[in-house]
Amino acid sequence: AAGVIQSPRHLIKEKRETATLKCYPIPRHDTVYWYQQGPGQDPQFLISFYEKMQSDKGSIPDRFSAQQFSDYHSELNMSSLELGDSALYFCASMPMWGRLSGNTIYFGEGSWLTVV
Amino acid sequence: KQEVTQIPAALSVPEGENLVLNCSFTDSAIYNLQWFRQDPGKGLTSLLLIQSSQREQTSGRLNASLDKSSGRSTLYIAASQPGDSATYLCAVWHRDDKIIFGKGTRLHILP
Repeated sequence: AAGVIQSPRHLIKEKRETATLKCYPIPRHDTVYWYQQGPGQDPQFLISFYEKMQSDKGSIPDRFSAQQFSDYHSELNMSSLELGDSALYFCASMPMWGRLSGNTIYFGEGSWLTVV
Repeated sequence: KQEVTQIPAALSVPEGENLVLNCSFTDSAIYNLQWFRQDPGKGLTSLLLIQSSQREQTSGRLNASLDKSSGRSTLYIAASQPGDSATYLCAVWHRDDKIIFGKGTRLHILP
């Protein structure tokens, strides 16, 4: 079965550079979530999208932006990177009706960002 | 504000033992509660999802329970194996559309 695909899996950037992470949700999943997990930390919610519109916003820095495209894939753009941005970035997807029907939310394998 | 707490933070048990991981949450207005497993440097693997109307779910050696009124969930692992060593995360699916994670329990099964 198709899963949530994230790319790239690993990325190394220097401070003040820009990075873009991509997320391809499971087919027919219209809701996408982004999470950031720092070393030894629990995942922290960044932002979510439903039907190409931002549905909720968490602890996402102003240097970061994200969007969901017409094919439902999403991109997280990170600018002016700082050392503290080094983390595992997860994307998750589910169908909008899923939370009411008990559908599991599916997470991708994550993208490792290392800022040096 | 929903807060999710997992106890203990770390646990080491000999192989073959049964064990219980605990998760508590402060706001009972939830859709679901989900248990995940995370191996070092890897993504999240869903283990069990319990809907707010359910009391428990079982999958193989795993059994998860939910007591929404008291804000508690437990993950029971029977006959533990070294391959069960991982971090176990509890996530609460809040009705404001946020999924809040606990900090996890690092489990180490001693061969």
